[in-house]
Amino acid sequence: DAGVIQSPRHEVTEMGQEVTLRCKPISGHNSLFWYRQTMMRGLELLIYFNNNVPIDDSGMPEDRFSAKMPNASFSTLKIQPSEPRDSAVYFCASSWTGTGANVLTFGAGSRLTVL
Amino acid sequence: GNSVTQMEGPVTLSEEAFLTINCTYTATGYPSLFWYVQYPGEGLQLLLKATKADDKGSNKGFEATYRKETTSFHLEKGSVQVSDSAVYFCALSDRGGGTYKYIFGTGTRLKVLA
Repeated sequence: DAGVIQSPRHEVTEMGQEVTLRCKPISGHNSLFWYRQTMMRGLELLIYFNNNVPIDDSGMPEDRFSAKMPNASFSTLKIQPSEPRDSAVYFCASSWTGTGANVLTFGAGSRLTVL
Repeated sequence: GNSVTQMEGPVTLSEEAFLTINCTYTATGYPSLFWYVQYPGEGLQLLLKATKADDKGSNKGFEATYRKETTSFHLEKGSVQVSDSAVYFCALSDRGGGTYKYIFGTGTRLKVLA
């Protein structure tokens, strides 16, 4: 398996622009998580899906952020409009939440810079 | 609620020194415990895991034992290498509301000097 695939790996945009980050989870995994990592705040959970349904979005900073999972193999995180304080590395992760240790597998991340 | 507390970094060691990174947790159920490692510019990778009390997880010379009585999962390595320089995250997963939630510690940066 290719692992969790994220795109783009790097994005530089200007304040006010729309940003869309994409994620392809590991095939067969039924849970997907979006995290944000910054030096100041560390690793923050933004939202997670189970069987394509959003379960907890309490970590989404504000209405400018939205996430969708239209099918089991694709998810997007959208920021509109973007602001400089959104600059961070955004990670997507997936897991199989059945029996066993339920290991979370991370993608390589999307580094976002908002000027 | 569930939480994970790990020691503040950075931790700076000389090559071949002994490493301990402390991690304690709070959980209402019976969580699985994990250590993840993040190398510069990369995502988090699973280092080792333990699913029940007294389990020992091990990988690449690293070890951690699930201690229910002290609610701890300390990471140890007998002889660190420069290539072990990274950020280490302790984490737990617990079932709540029918799904699993993952709680991460704040991370401990390790720097190993040659």
